[in-house]
Amino acid sequence: DQQVKQNSPSLSVQEGRISILNCDYTNSMFDYFLWYKKYPAEGPTFLISISSIKDKNEDGRFTVFLNKSAKHLSLHIVPSQPGDSAVYFCAARQADYGGSQGNLIFGKGTKLSVKP
Amino acid sequence: ETGVTQSPTHLIKTRGQQVTLRCSSQSGHNTVSWYQQALGQGPQFIFQYYREEENGRGNFPPRFSGLQFPNYSSELNVNALELDDSALYLCASSFSGTGKGEQYFGPGTRLTVT
Repeated sequence: DQQVKQNSPSLSVQEGRISILNCDYTNSMFDYFLWYKKYPAEGPTFLISISSIKDKNEDGRFTVFLNKSAKHLSLHIVPSQPGDSAVYFCAARQADYGGSQGNLIFGKGTKLSVKP
Repeated sequence: ETGVTQSPTHLIKTRGQQVTLRCSSQSGHNTVSWYQQALGQGPQFIFQYYREEENGRGNFPPRFSGLQFPNYSSELNVNALELDDSALYLCASSFSGTGKGEQYFGPGTRLTVT
């Protein structure tokens, strides 16, 4: 049973417009949510995270919104650029255990294409 | 600051063989996690090492094992390889204590089992 779901396998956006990537989760015990970007033949690159006690976090062109009642988060990219074309993964962290950091549970990813 | 490195980049093995994958963590990081990414899927947590001990494990059989060394580098060992083990294996390092959840990934090792 998937605890983190990205229901859109792909998204196409025009350069300069907003890209909105969505993610749903089922486990209320997650304490952090993260977004990663992945290019082919590279490992995932960390983009931005949000604590479960916040509802918004912003970093440059990237903003993550968290709606805890709906168990939903979204990543907004404004303005979108062709270099943003990649697969975006939503991940949720299970809280710390054993004195170290918890593990990440990933969605299946959404492939974003930004057209010039 | 050196990022996470993994070796080898690609590997082809035969069913039943054993394989060892290596990971050097980012400087300043003391925790290493391993993930398996099958085609079209998100990374799946295999296990995590902290203070040279396994500290959490996902839904993977015991033939997946690992080590962490005093310099925080790590190995992933897979015995009795099966065709379904073909995947991208990702190593991620992090520092316990920041509490923000970020893990930083290496480029991965592409394993093909024939």
